[in-house]
Amino acid sequence: GAGVSQSPRYKVAKRGQDVALRCDPISGHVSLFWYQQALGQGPEFLTYFQNEAQLDKSGLPSDRFFAERPEGSVSTLKIQRTQQEDSAVYLCASSNRLRTGIVYEQYFGPGTRLTVT
Amino acid sequence: AQTVTQSQPEMSVQEAETVTLSCTYDTSESDYYLFWYKQPPSRQMILVIRQEAYKQQNATENRFSVNFQKAAKSFSLKISDSQLGDAAMYFCAYKGDFGNEKLTFGTGTRLTIIP
Repeated sequence: GAGVSQSPRYKVAKRGQDVALRCDPISGHVSLFWYQQALGQGPEFLTYFQNEAQLDKSGLPSDRFFAERPEGSVSTLKIQRTQQEDSAVYLCASSNRLRTGIVYEQYFGPGTRLTVT
Repeated sequence: AQTVTQSQPEMSVQEAETVTLSCTYDTSESDYYLFWYKQPPSRQMILVIRQEAYKQQNATENRFSVNFQKAAKSFSLKISDSQLGDAAMYFCAYKGDFGNEKLTFGTGTRLTIIP
C-alpha cells in the first residue's frame, strides 16, 4: 500500500507529560524499527519488532521509553514524564523480513518532531 | 560495537559537476551491508544505494555510484551530473549480518548544489 505514515507530525509537550507517537508501517511488512534523530545528528536505533515480538530494545535510553506493536501492524512509541533531552525527531521504518542472501531495505516514515518545553 | 564516521559536515558542488561524499566505518564482522540514505528537508529518508560487503563490484544506480574499499573500511558516494534535487543531508549507514537488523548511521553530510 502507501508508504510508512506517522502521527502526529509535530508534538509539543510540557516537561513531565506523557506522549504517544504512532507508526503505520507498509502493509505486510513484518519488521518495524524506531529511531531517534537529534538535531544535526544521524538517526539512532531505539527498538525493533518482528511482527508483534520486540526482538531488540537495546537502544531505548531509559525506562521512560516504551514501545509496543500488539497486533503486528501499527506500533506506538510512548514516552513517560518527558524531559527536554527527549526533544528530537522520532523516525519509524518498516521492512520485509531479511532472508539470507537477500538485501532488504528499510522504508522510513516522515517522522514526528517532538519538542519538550 | 560498529561505528560509522562521516568527516564532511557540509559539501557543495556546482550543478552538473561531480561530488564525492566520504564514509568510513569500524566493524569486526566479515559480512555486512552498507547504505547511503538521502534526507531532504521533508525529513523522509530515501535509500540511494546499497552495497553487500561480500561483493567486490561497486554498486551503481544511475548517477550514483560507490567506491567500496573493504580493507580500508571506506565507503564513499559519488554523485555525477549533480542536480538541484540532489540537495539534501546524506547519511551513510551500516547493517550487520543476518540477525542484526538495526542500522547504524553516521552524522551526515549536508550537500548544497550551486546553480
